[in-house]
Amino acid sequence: KQEVTQIPAALSVPEGENLVLNCSFTDSAIYNLQWFRQDPGKGLTSLLLIQSSQREQTSGRLNASLDKSSGRSTLYIAASQPGDSATYLCAVRKGGGADGLTFGKGTHLIIQP
Amino acid sequence: GAVVSQHPSRVICKSGTSVKIECRSLDFQATTMFWYRQFPKQSLMLMATSNEGSKATYEQGVEKDKFLINHASLTLSTLTVTSAHPEDSSFYICSASNRAAEAFFGQGTRLTVV
Repeated sequence: KQEVTQIPAALSVPEGENLVLNCSFTDSAIYNLQWFRQDPGKGLTSLLLIQSSQREQTSGRLNASLDKSSGRSTLYIAASQPGDSATYLCAVRKGGGADGLTFGKGTHLIIQP
Repeated sequence: GAVVSQHPSRVICKSGTSVKIECRSLDFQATTMFWYRQFPKQSLMLMATSNEGSKATYEQGVEKDKFLINHASLTLSTLTVTSAHPEDSSFYICSASNRAAEAFFGQGTRLTVV
């Protein structure tokens, strides 16, 4: 059974810092990996999708990497801003679009102004 | 990105009643949608896979008679919580994927059973 772990569980940093969120998964046979952002009481916003054949994806200040063989992914946030404060979730999909996602418990991020 | 709309965002119901939650993919067709449940400060747990035109597939431990799923069209899936009890109170959220298997989520529904 796939298990996804995210470290750290919580993180509080001053504005402007670069930071790294970690995600690990136990079964390397994945189809893709996706990073999401969740604001309190809200749904999930897709940040980055990495297919199993890819090593990294970038969107603005966000960069996600994937090392499938070692079961790891990192989300790099550059020049953090207070608006980045949220819970960041990592999820993996085993098969194609017909399979659901397995989520980690998330990293609760607070960016101090 | 694609848009998935979920309604209602909040619902309070009396114990023993049923509640229906709708999930729509607004700008793409989804043969498969997914329903998740999230407890406070916990991650999302997949409840069931909703398949257009056929029966839903439920995860182990999820009661199919309590959580009825209907996927009548390529853009609409519904989750009905039947005979709701306080322990069913939770955050329910749906998802649909595009052709690249990128998942998009609805806004979620906060269900409170009193």
